[in-house]
Amino acid sequence: EAGVVQSPRYKIIEKKQPVAFWCNPISGHNTLYWYLQNLGQGPELLIRYENEEAVDDSQLPKDRFSAERLKGVDSTLKIQPAELGDSAVYLCASSLFHGELFFGEGSRLTVL
Amino acid sequence: DQQVKQNSPSLSVQEGRISILNCDYTNSMFDYFLWYKKYPAEGPTFLISISSIKDKNEDGRFTVFLNKSAKHLSLHIVPSQPGDSAVYFCAASEGNTGKLIFGQGTTLQVKP
Repeated sequence: EAGVVQSPRYKIIEKKQPVAFWCNPISGHNTLYWYLQNLGQGPELLIRYENEEAVDDSQLPKDRFSAERLKGVDSTLKIQPAELGDSAVYLCASSLFHGELFFGEGSRLTVL
Repeated sequence: DQQVKQNSPSLSVQEGRISILNCDYTNSMFDYFLWYKKYPAEGPTFLISISSIKDKNEDGRFTVFLNKSAKHLSLHIVPSQPGDSAVYFCAASEGNTGKLIFGQGTTLQVKP
């Protein structure tokens, strides 16, 4: 069974440029999460989807970040415009039930 | 405020000995706890979990202990192997929120 797939794995952009990350969860997993991981820190939740609905986006900086999960399957996280402090690893995860999350390999963003 | 804390950034043990990783939490409403393991350039992978109705859960070389009165949990790895060298994250969730709160991580190095 395929795991959570994320792309791109690495992205280098200049500040003020837009960037988008894509995630395809494990088949059948209704819940999808986007986490942010800064260097030396644990993952922090940005947004959680139950099917198409964003049920928890309280930690998503909505002035520059947006996310969507059309058709309740794959998801896109966008940053526009990117700032230097956005350099981090963006992790996507999915779960069948609350508790155990399955993570993708992450998308490492570097903003210059 | 950090609801889940891993106060030891790193731990070094000899192969064959026991590794003990610690985690403290502040939210008494947390009722499910997990440990994740992360290798460089990979996403976190689930290792073991424990419900708040238990005080111990064992899976092969890995045992998680929960002390609710102290709001403390620990992960024991015995015997430790060089392949166990990774970053270990403690995580906690409350009820059916589906939201995991992660600690900062502890880097374990197992020396041959």
